[in-house]
Amino acid sequence: AQTVTQSQPEMSVQEAETVTLSCTYDTSENNYYLFWYKQPPSRQMILVIRQEAYKQQNATENRFSVNFQKAAKSFSLKISDSQLGDTAMYFCAFMGNTGNQFYFGTGTSLTVIP
Amino acid sequence: GAVVSQHPSRVICKSGTSVKIECRSLDFQATTMFWYRQFPKQSLMLMATSNEGSKATYEQGVEKDKFLINHASLTLSTLTVTSAHPEDSSFYICSARDPGTDEKLFFGSGTQLSVL
Repeated sequence: AQTVTQSQPEMSVQEAETVTLSCTYDTSENNYYLFWYKQPPSRQMILVIRQEAYKQQNATENRFSVNFQKAAKSFSLKISDSQLGDTAMYFCAFMGNTGNQFYFGTGTSLTVIP
Repeated sequence: GAVVSQHPSRVICKSGTSVKIECRSLDFQATTMFWYRQFPKQSLMLMATSNEGSKATYEQGVEKDKFLINHASLTLSTLTVTSAHPEDSSFYICSARDPGTDEKLFFGSGTQLSVL
C-alpha cells in the first residue's frame, strides 16, 4: 500500500486568513493522481482539488491551491480567505496510475475561528 | 455531476446477523469501486478494491470471508458484513471511479453500522 502522511492532526485559522495543510506521500510510480478531500460533520466526502503528477503546474480552484513538489513527494493545500464553512476534516489522497489504488492520509482537522 | 448512492445510511443489527450495504453509481459505469471503513475522528481505511466481474482485492488485515464484496455489474457493488460483531460497528463508505471524468472518484454518503 502507498503511504500518505499528514503531519498536522489539528489546525486553526482566523476567518479571512490563509492556512496551509501539509501532505507527503511515498510511491515508486511516476504517474499518479493526488487529491484533497473535505469531510464536514455530515461525513460526505467532497473533492476540493486534484493534481495529475505529470503536470508541473500547480492546480487551483478558486480559494484553494496546491504546492506540488514531485521530487520531494509533497502536496500541500493552501486555503486563502478562510471561511467558516471551511471548518472540516481534510484528507490528502493518492491514486495510482492504474486507478486500482486509492489511499487517504491520516487527516487534518481544520477549524476556522470567527 | 456524477452521483453514487449508498444504502442504507444507518443500520442497527444484532450480533451474529449479516448486513448488506449497497453502492450504486447512478449515471456512470464504475469499473472500479472502493470500500472504506472509518472510525470516529480517524481516516478512511481502504478495505478492498472491487472490479466489475472479478474478485475483489482485499487490503492486508481485512478478512475476505468476513467482508464479502460483490461487483456483479458496472453500476452496483455490495459489501456484506457476515456474522457481525460489536467490533464491526463503524462507518462504511463506498466510492466509485469514473474513468470518463478524468479519473475522479465519487463517494457514497456512507453507512453507519451499529452491532448490538
